[in-house]
Amino acid sequence: GAVVSQHPSRVICKSGTSVKIECRSLDFQATTMFWYRQFPKQSLMLMATSNEGSKATYEQGVEKDKFLINHASLTLSTLTVTSAHPEDSSFYICSAPRRTGELFFGEGSRLTVL
Amino acid sequence: GDSVTQMEGPVTLSEEAFLTINCTYTATGYPSLFWYVQYPGEGLQLLLKATKADDKGSNKGFEATYRKETTSFHLEKGSVQVSDSAVYFCALSHQGGSEKLVFGKGTKLTVNP
Repeated sequence: GAVVSQHPSRVICKSGTSVKIECRSLDFQATTMFWYRQFPKQSLMLMATSNEGSKATYEQGVEKDKFLINHASLTLSTLTVTSAHPEDSSFYICSAPRRTGELFFGEGSRLTVL
Repeated sequence: GDSVTQMEGPVTLSEEAFLTINCTYTATGYPSLFWYVQYPGEGLQLLLKATKADDKGSNKGFEATYRKETTSFHLEKGSVQVSDSAVYFCALSHQGGSEKLVFGKGTKLTVNP
């Protein structure tokens, strides 16, 4: 079964609203989680590294005020897309490494902004 | 910067056919190379990996060999099954297996009975 779970799997929202996506590690603690974005027919691109108890580290070109990341506990990281616009429509995927080094991915969340 | 290029899909095969999905990379140094698979409705899962030149990763009948001279890591399977239908991603990392992965675009494979 899944060891990293994302919610919601699909979300449709109106332009200008904010959307929160959750990423949970189900049977292990993760001090770090990673958020990826995949546009249609494009690669998964790392957006940011979520760090428990401290600020996220964003990749170059990713707006931190647009994509708010909170890693409030050792099993939960959230990505909030603020004031979403149609160009933010994408597939968002999180991942978390176990202490063994094995990396687990969530099922992904498809965001559609109308 | 680092990049991964894999063959465009979708790929449609009949059961028991031979599968090759090409993957080439551009990177400095000696990255680790991976194939991930995403079955419908599930998260990406590590299929196999290789950490140095000439290593062969294998799992579930799939194989890929790290070819530094051609900067390639092609995925092969001798006889595919319907259950192999999924999206396959080639990826590289300079950190041994987790953390910052650079992915290809993914190749969707459909295997028909």
